[in-house]
Amino acid sequence: DQQVKQNSPSLSVQEGRISILNCDYTNSMFDYFLWYKKYPAEGPTFLISISSIKDKNEDGRFTVFLNKSAKHLSLHIVPSQPGDSAVYFCAASGGAAGNKLTFGGGTRVLVKP
Amino acid sequence: SAVISQKPSRDICQRGTSLTIQCQVDSQVTMMFWYRQQPGQSLTLIATANQGSEATYESGFVIDKFPISRPNLTFSTLTVSNMSPEDSSIYLCSVGRPPNYGYTFGSGTRLTVV
Repeated sequence: DQQVKQNSPSLSVQEGRISILNCDYTNSMFDYFLWYKKYPAEGPTFLISISSIKDKNEDGRFTVFLNKSAKHLSLHIVPSQPGDSAVYFCAASGGAAGNKLTFGGGTRVLVKP
Repeated sequence: SAVISQKPSRDICQRGTSLTIQCQVDSQVTMMFWYRQQPGQSLTLIATANQGSEATYESGFVIDKFPISRPNLTFSTLTVSNMSPEDSSIYLCSVGRPPNYGYTFGSGTRLTVV
């Protein structure tokens, strides 16, 4: 049973426009959510996170929104840049899992110049 | 954040052999994890490496197949034993200072078993 799902395997967006990545989770005990970016042949790098007590967190071009009632979070990248082309993973922790991360399947983003 | 050196970066191994992957961190960390990313899949936690005690394995992973050592707070190894082609994956170590500082990942070891 996949507790964290990213239903869009890929996303293509024009440079300068907004990229919106979505993530759904089923475990209501998750209380911390993170987004990671992964380039080929590299490990994932931490982008931004949000605690379940908040509904929005912003860091530069990246904003994460959390809708607890819908068990849904999204990552907005504005404006998108060609260097943002990568695979993005959402992850969650908390509840019985404690500090261990449960990852979604990833969304491959392609930003076209 | 911590800097992780993971070796080897890639290897091609014969089935039935074993490979040991090393993870060195530039600072002492309490929490260290090993993940696997199978082709086209997400990251799956194999085990938590505990300093001074046996690793804690996730469902579906066993010590005989993936023995882990953690001799101190800056170093850990993962061995993939008696390999088969199904073990072909990227293996990653990770350290964490949750929740606010996230988790840092090594660059991964791309393993191909032939």
